[in-house]
Amino acid sequence: EGQLVESGGGLAQPGESLTLSCTSTGFSLSEYTMSWVRQAPGKGLEWVSYISSSGDSIYYGDSVRGRFTISRDSAKNSLYLQMNSLRTEDTALYHCARDADYGDYPAYHMDVWGKGTTVTV
Amino acid sequence: YVLTQPPSVSVAPGQTARIPCGGNNLGPKSVHWYQQKAGQAPVVVVYDDSDRPSGIPDRFSGSVSGNRATLTISRVDAGDEADYYCQVWDPRSDQRVFGGGTKLTV
Repeated sequence: EGQLVESGGGLAQPGESLTLSCTSTGFSLSEYTMSWVRQAPGKGLEWVSYISSSGDSIYYGDSVRGRFTISRDSAKNSLYLQMNSLRTEDTALYHCARDADYGDYPAYHMDVWGKGTTVTV
Repeated sequence: YVLTQPPSVSVAPGQTARIPCGGNNLGPKSVHWYQQKAGQAPVVVVYDDSDRPSGIPDRFSGSVSGNRATLTISRVDAGDEADYYCQVWDPRSDQRVFGGGTKLTV
């Protein structure tokens, strides 16, 4: 089934930027639609962003639109989340997650999740 | 778009747990359910309202009726203690939405 591994988390001051990365083992990340999902300490899951395998379809949650940018690099088998203008409320564990199929279909579920990387603002 | 779940559900071992998820016009949407045990990443246990991924016991089932989806876990045991989240895609806002989560206590 494969695994996802996130990196790039850390401590940032309000207004600063961070870039998260996600790579895969056991499957080619570039073939799948991917998402970022975050979880603030003691809180529930919050979907952050979605990018189709081609990169043609990109969506963002209301709380991050205009500040965060999702992207991917097929050559590096990697997914990214550029986070600008960070706020204290962005403090969370950030998971990358794989869609269950290859298509660009936002109604799909997510079947492989990484353990996450922690961002503290 | 808002999905509403009760914060907690408690059930005795061996009994059946039912976790509801309410949302406006939920019927046409595909509802997915994720289980998250303490300190672990989420795992999908039901997708597309009522389908079960391979490896998930048939004790887990899902249904949708009107504006309410329900995750049913039969013959509950201590290993089922976790937070459970429903999730849909809202085409009006172009966003994936999670419910607030329900903590299942056995």
